[in-house]
Amino acid sequence: KAGVTQTPRYLIKTRGQQVTLSCSPISGHRSVSWYQQTPGQGLQFLFEYFSETQRNKGNFPGRFSGRQFSNSRSEMNVSTLELGDSALYLCASSLSGTGNTEAFFGQGTRLTVV
Amino acid sequence: QKEVEQNSGPLSVPEGAIASLNCTYSDRGSQSFFWYRQYSGKSPELIMSIYSNGDKEDGRFTAQLNKASQYVSLLIRDSQPSDSATYLCAVNVPGTYKYIFGTGTRLKVLA
Repeated sequence: KAGVTQTPRYLIKTRGQQVTLSCSPISGHRSVSWYQQTPGQGLQFLFEYFSETQRNKGNFPGRFSGRQFSNSRSEMNVSTLELGDSALYLCASSLSGTGNTEAFFGQGTRLTVV
Repeated sequence: QKEVEQNSGPLSVPEGAIASLNCTYSDRGSQSFFWYRQYSGKSPELIMSIYSNGDKEDGRFTAQLNKASQYVSLLIRDSQPSDSATYLCAVNVPGTYKYIFGTGTRLKVLA
């Protein structure tokens, strides 16, 4: 059974540019969550999608956005990149995203903003 | 006060010993708790979930939950050098589809 797939694995972007990251969840999973991980802040919740609807959003500026497609694949976009956006971006998939379902992470996309 | 707190460590234990990792949380309404292991440079890997008070065992791992005291712990028996990693505690936020992660405890198992 294939796991969660994130592409690309690594990205280097310049300040002011925008970036799109992709996440394909485990087959049958309909919930996708995105997290930002930095050494100083740990894992911070960005947003969660289920059946193409954003159900929850974390405390990030509007430059961070996402969407989910009908096949449950999800993308997140960061516009007007800042140096502080350098981080490991992780997506996690689960069956339903409700509290009693387990979430599994992809390998992450490491974004470096220069 | 942080919503999910873990001692950052490092926690050093000799090979073969029991490693005890602790996590406290602030929201009494939280119902679901998870432990993840993260090796350096890798993504978090789910070890265990626990939803009810008491112990849950899976191989060398035992999760313990005490909702009255708002803590959850992970015991690793017969610790191996390959268990050296950062262990993350995650707790659901009631009424949402959101999870809060602790900053993790770094475990070092000494051969």
